[in-house]
Amino acid sequence: AQKITQTQPGMFVQEKEAVTLDCTYDTSDPSYGLFWYKQPSSGEMIFLIYQGSYDQQNATEGRYSLNFQKARKSANLVISASQLGDSAMYFCAMREELIQGAQKLVFGQGTRLTINP
Amino acid sequence: GAVVSQHPSWVICKSGTSVKIECRSLDFQATTMFWYRQFPKQSLMLMATSNEGSKATYEQGVEKDKFLINHASLTLSTLTVTSAHPEDSSFYICSAPARGVRTNEKLFFGSGTQLSVL
Repeated sequence: AQKITQTQPGMFVQEKEAVTLDCTYDTSDPSYGLFWYKQPSSGEMIFLIYQGSYDQQNATEGRYSLNFQKARKSANLVISASQLGDSAMYFCAMREELIQGAQKLVFGQGTRLTINP
Repeated sequence: GAVVSQHPSWVICKSGTSVKIECRSLDFQATTMFWYRQFPKQSLMLMATSNEGSKATYEQGVEKDKFLINHASLTLSTLTVTSAHPEDSSFYICSAPARGVRTNEKLFFGSGTQLSVL
């Protein structure tokens, strides 16, 4: 069974500061993928960043980077120079591979990030 | 990029009625689609996996007869909440994987449907 844990229900950060959102996972599969999604109040799920279990380098996408520590089974999201528009729910998720190769995601509990001006 | 269209965005219905939610992949074929449910301030919980041309696979605890899933074509999956009750009020969101060297890394989500049962 897979498990994703986000231990921070809420985070408050000053604008322009960097913020780290924690995510730990548990799996016995050697091949897996880790995702971060942003969900604003509108409800849509916005893909932010992806890290494959065999990727040698930490993933980066603009202001987003993923601090992947495989031995510790953690995949923390780092947002640099936070902006007011970053206020949203953030979900960490793990891909569970199906037989046909389709991806099924298991989500963490989420972290509500609030950026203060 | 790949787009998944979901509608309606919101629906209000009376208790006992059925509600159909559609999820379409607009520029790619999706042999598999996933349906999630999200209660307020909670995470997304997978309800079922929709498979084109075959029966859906339901997660433990999800009633098959209540949440009917039909994946009639490579671009359309529907979720019908039958005899809806207030406890079925929730945010329902679909997603579909896109194939490809890069896009295989992502799931594309619909914009979600907020269901309110009176």
